Amino acid sequence: AQKVTQAQTEISVVEKEDVTLDCVYETRDTTYYLFWYKQPPSGELVFLIRRNSFDEQNEISGRYSWNFQKSTSSFNFTITASQVVDSAVYFCALSEGFRGGSQGNLIFGKGTKLSVKP
Amino acid sequence: DAGVTQSPTHLIKTRGQQVTLRCSPKSGHDTVSWYQQALGQGPQFIFQYYEEEERQRGNFPDRFSGHQFPNYSSELNVNALLLGDSALYLCASSLKGGHGYTFGSGTRLTVV
Repeated sequence: AQKVTQAQTEISVVEKEDVTLDCVYETRDTTYYLFWYKQPPSGELVFLIRRNSFDEQNEISGRYSWNFQKSTSSFNFTITASQVVDSAVYFCALSEGFRGGSQGNLIFGKGTKLSVKP
Repeated sequence: DAGVTQSPTHLIKTRGQQVTLRCSPKSGHDTVSWYQQALGQGPQFIFQYYEEEERQRGNFPDRFSGHQFPNYSSELNVNALLLGDSALYLCASSLKGGHGYTFGSGTRLTVV
């Protein structure tokens, strides 16, 4: 069975601090995708990143970076120099991968609420 | 380019009633998935529609049903509402069964 665990329920930091959100997943699929989404109070899930199971390269996008380690089944997300606008709930998700690059439905973790205080 | 549009944004219903939620997918997308997000939880997959047929279904009772129209828009119907059905219902659209999902802002359903 597929499962995503986000052990941190809430994190509070002061602006400009670095913060890492943890994600651990379980799957028996050999091909799968991992995601991070941001959910501001408006409710919409904002896509941040998709990573396939064959690509363990870390990725950096501006102040965001992701560390994917298959050996520990983890896909952690780091925000550098956090800002108040980063305050939101962040979800890690997993889906099965199919031939041609399509994906199955998303299995979400319970989310981590990040509060960045000025 | 319009994103995913959901209506209504908020809804209050009485226990036992029926409700219909609507979703218009992002332009160019042909697949619609529905998710239920209870307060403080992650979204849970309800079902997915592609080519006007239900293609995948999560662990939800038959009270939850759906429909996809020829223009790819979709409806989610919930019968015999329970207090536990109170949640944010999110619609996600994608291309050909799932090549990246775009989510709408959701419909917040309150059952009293």
